[in-house]
Amino acid sequence: EIVMTQSPLSLSVTPGQTASISCSASESLLHSSGRTHLFWYVQKPGQSPQLLIYDVFSRFSGVPDRFTGSGSGTYFTLEIRRFEAEDVGIYFCMQGKHLWTFGQGTKVEI
Amino acid sequence: QVQLVESGGGVVQPGRSLRLSCAASGFIFSNYGMHWVRQAPGKGLEWVATIWHDGSNTYYPDSLKGRITISRDNSRNTLYLQIYYLTPEDTGFYSCARDFGGGPAYDYWGQGTLVTVSS
Repeated sequence: EIVMTQSPLSLSVTPGQTASISCSASESLLHSSGRTHLFWYVQKPGQSPQLLIYDVFSRFSGVPDRFTGSGSGTYFTLEIRRFEAEDVGIYFCMQGKHLWTFGQGTKVEI
Repeated sequence: QVQLVESGGGVVQPGRSLRLSCAASGFIFSNYGMHWVRQAPGKGLEWVATIWHDGSNTYYPDSLKGRITISRDNSRNTLYLQIYYLTPEDTGFYSCARDFGGGPAYDYWGQGTLVTVSS
């Protein structure tokens, strides 16, 4: 099983500032297809999880460009620029290279 | 818009079985693979089961094989999860999710249904 580890587990952000969350995998997420199957989600209070980023850096439909994914191999980062109150929630990474496993989640608040 | 609504949760005694349902709307259900994911209280997310769009293939984690069956009825736009021999460790929120299609991920999730296994 591929183990996903996030840090930090909680984060307090000032509106307008940048939040950064890291996610590491126990093995490379580079698939034989050449794609790297690392995804980012956010679960806002009272809502179901929403897909933000797929394949490390591609934004899902409707996701603002304030959200940026980066990384390769086993280490990945999600940056949220110009943080807004509506961005509060639990952010988690997920790998899809071999079945699916999740990071523990990072609680981001103001 | 895409909607996934789970039902069937509740309090169940250990050793019993339970069937969860996920009603889908807002998209062509028969075109998409579907998944179940769960989260125990205070724990992280755990993938539970996957089924192809036509039901021809199913996948489970080794830890749950033999106790779980995922199925679907494309004529009713409904996904199911049958869990056998429930234990307290099966307690948690169970959510269905639609396959992304653009990669091995989920793009829309339901709100989940709570299963509590207790005597």
